[in-house]
Parts: sequence; C-alpha cells; structure tokens
Amino acid sequence: DAGVIQSPRHEVTEMGQEVTLRCKPISGHDYLFWYRQTMMRGLELLIYFNNNVPIDDSGMPEDRFSAKMPNASFSTLKIQPSEPRDSAVYFCASSLSQMNTEAFFGQGTRLTVV
Amino acid sequence: GENVEQHPSTLSVQEGDSAVIKCTYSDSASNYFPWYKQELGKRPQLIIDIRSNVGEKKDQRIAVTLNKTAKHFSLHITETQPEDSAVYFCAAITGYIKTIFGAGTRLFVKA
Repeated sequence: DAGVIQSPRHEVTEMGQEVTLRCKPISGHDYLFWYRQTMMRGLELLIYFNNNVPIDDSGMPEDRFSAKMPNASFSTLKIQPSEPRDSAVYFCASSLSQMNTEAFFGQGTRLTVV
Repeated sequence: GENVEQHPSTLSVQEGDSAVIKCTYSDSASNYFPWYKQELGKRPQLIIDIRSNVGEKKDQRIAVTLNKTAKHFSLHITETQPEDSAVYFCAAITGYIKTIFGAGTRLFVKA
C-alpha cells in the first residue's frame, strides 16, 4: 500500500476562492481524520469519519469548512470562501478500527491563501 | 476540556547526550499514548507508543515512561544523533479515537 495519499501537495489561492483538498486513506482503514497544522496552534483535529460517516466535526473552525467522505477510499475537505488565516498544512490520516492503534498520516497539503 | 501539555517547546542538546520530553494529560480515561516525530516538511510518523497497562517501554535508543497516577508520560532519547533533530509530538487517546496532541517539542541535536 502506498500509504495515505493527499493532493495537491501545495496550493496557492486567492482570498475568496474555493479550495478542495483530497485524501485517499490506506485500504482497509475505517477511520479517517483531517488535521490542520500551524505554528501558532500546532496540530488540530478538524473532523473524523468512521466507515465514511462523520463522527465528530467539533474541530471545524467555521461554516466555511466542510468535509465529505463519499466512499471508503476518498475524502475531501473544502474551504469556501478561503481566507488568509486558513493558510496552514492540512494533514489527512487514517487508522484501523481498533482501540489504541497508530494513525498514519499523509504527506499533507500546504495551503497558502493570499 | 481535555488537553495535553508538552514541555519543553524547544530543546537543544549536544550529540551523544540524552533528551527528555514530558507531557501531562487531563483526561484520566486516556489509555493510549503515542509519540510522533515530524521532520522538517514531512508528515508526523509514529516512533513509539505505550498503553495504560504498562509503565515503561523501550525501543533501542528511545524509551517512554507512563505515570497514570500523576497523569504524565515522557519520551527519552539516549545517545542523540543529528538525525534525531525534528519536532516531537505526544498524544493522549481516550477510548477508540479521541486524540489530543501536545503542542510539540522542537529538538535540535548539535554535532
């Protein structure tokens, strides 16, 4: 397995534009997580899915953020409209549906909103 | 709410010395404590973990200790090498999934 795959690796967009980040989890993993990493706030959990169903989205900063998981092998995180303060590295991670298991991270998407 | 505090935020050691990073957690129900290493520009990767029924675990130069009573756990790296330079994150997990990360420790190992 190639691991968790995220695209794009880098995204530069203008304020007000829509941004869509994509993630393919490791096959067989039942949990998928979206994290945001900044210098100021560290690693923040935005939302996670279990068996494609959103379980906890309490970390999503505001209504401009939305996430979907239409099937077991694909998830998106969308920001509309984007703002400069959304600039960060966004990580997707997946794990098996067992207690106390490692989360495998993707390479991340570095988002810059100008 | 639950939180994980991590100290120090920055640590600089001489090659060959030991490095210790400490974390405290607030949720007494936390039962799994992984440590992740993140090199510059790369993804976090698990380096060692410990479960609540164990007090200490070692893997070559890396060890982790857990004190459930005090609700703190520590990462110990012995004989540090320049390639150990990275940001290290502790985390506390409750139940199946709820994960709280520490703020991270930036470790510099000087050759």
